[in-house]
Amino acid sequence: AQSVSQHNHHVILSEAASLELGCNYSYGGTVNLFWYVQYPGQHLQLLLKYFSGDPLVKGIKGFEAEFIKSKFSFNLRKPSVQWSDTAEYFCAVYNNNDMRFGAGTRLTVKP
Amino acid sequence: SQTIHQWPATLVQPVGSPLSLECTVEGTSNPNLYWYRQAAGRGLQLLFYSIGIDQISSEVPQNLSASRPQDRQFILSSKKLLLSDSGFYLCAWAPGVSEKLFFGSGTQLSVL
Repeated sequence: AQSVSQHNHHVILSEAASLELGCNYSYGGTVNLFWYVQYPGQHLQLLLKYFSGDPLVKGIKGFEAEFIKSKFSFNLRKPSVQWSDTAEYFCAVYNNNDMRFGAGTRLTVKP
Repeated sequence: SQTIHQWPATLVQPVGSPLSLECTVEGTSNPNLYWYRQAAGRGLQLLFYSIGIDQISSEVPQNLSASRPQDRQFILSSKKLLLSDSGFYLCAWAPGVSEKLFFGSGTQLSVL
């Protein structure tokens, strides 16, 4: 079965700092990749997704992620975080038969 | 420690047949419970969430319903499945509204 690893459990940054959250998966076949965000008090939202094509994917709110097939990675980035980016971030991997989520990374942005 | 169980893992059903997917959480009380669907080519879609027994909110109108007969049990149902109900269904729980989600292992539903 495929698995997803998010290496950072809790990340604390100051506003305007750059962000990179790691995500690695174990499945060797064709996958769909997602980053979801859960803001405090809100439901899960889709940040961005990769199905095929350009491995650099741009999502909402200035986020982007790069799919590196050789490294089985799909890291999430943002050049300059804001206090409002404080949330829980989940990486997910999906194919036709299975979907797995990472354990999540809590991002705290200090004003 | 808390665990979440979701079954069955895969299900093939004919159009028009009923559906019942079950999700249970152990090791906690009064969890928030969620049903999501992952359709091909799309992200997760929130179907239902529940903050307590008999407190279920539906996010989208559809052919499905949810029930919470016990504090830690959440059931997704349909009286008559449609082809468009095919997809991957995920159950999740959280300690509270603003707390982190924990996901079940999912059910791949194929309606033929």
